[in-house]
Amino acid sequence: DTGVSQDPRHKITKRGQNVTFRCDPISEHNRLYWYRQTLGQGPEFLTYFQNEAQLEKSRLLSDRFSAERPKGSFSTLEIQRTEQGDSAMYLCASRERTGANTEAFFGQGTRLTVV
Amino acid sequence: AQSVSQHNHHVILSEAASLELGCNYSYGGTVNLFWYVQYPGQHLQLLLKYFSGDPLVKGIKGFEAEFIKSKFSFNLRKPSVQWSDTAEYFCAVSKGTGGFKTIFGAGTRLFVKA
Repeated sequence: DTGVSQDPRHKITKRGQNVTFRCDPISEHNRLYWYRQTLGQGPEFLTYFQNEAQLEKSRLLSDRFSAERPKGSFSTLEIQRTEQGDSAMYLCASRERTGANTEAFFGQGTRLTVV
Repeated sequence: AQSVSQHNHHVILSEAASLELGCNYSYGGTVNLFWYVQYPGQHLQLLLKYFSGDPLVKGIKGFEAEFIKSKFSFNLRKPSVQWSDTAEYFCAVSKGTGGFKTIFGAGTRLFVKA
């Protein structure tokens, strides 16, 4: 499968614990995006990488959230001290190098449940 | 700020009925426009896209969309829906420059009765 891959698919954690998600983009895509989707809403943009550089962060990304893409390939999204409001589907997407006139390809997402 | 508005949150249709889902966006520069579909339990999939050229875009599974620049609209249509079209549909916009991040509408949940 050469699509966007996310791991794990599901995560249940206790409030206050830290969690980390991984995203492997399509190999030739240098642009990588993280989104959050809650029930009844469209995906909301969290952050964006071009290669290893994090170029944009949404105000939704509180200081408990951190994302990295150390070698410009896979990315991780960490949530520290999870809260029940963090329960959501976390989506990763990637896009070709050129950016313009291309579409984002999405992974299956990681569903986080904070209990 | 860039935003996307979808007119209907829930739509219920019978099979063979025609579908039109409204979408308006607020960004005035060069934009790329998309409709994504999410079938139950599956990930987001691209239904169709508009970058430039003919404003009437044809996508997969008989869907089409029309870009009307003067109205900042990109409505999705299908002449005759099937039960298998039951899904959530998202209109999305990305700028034609910069980070190309995609901004989504809230989605329209379509239920097609057999």
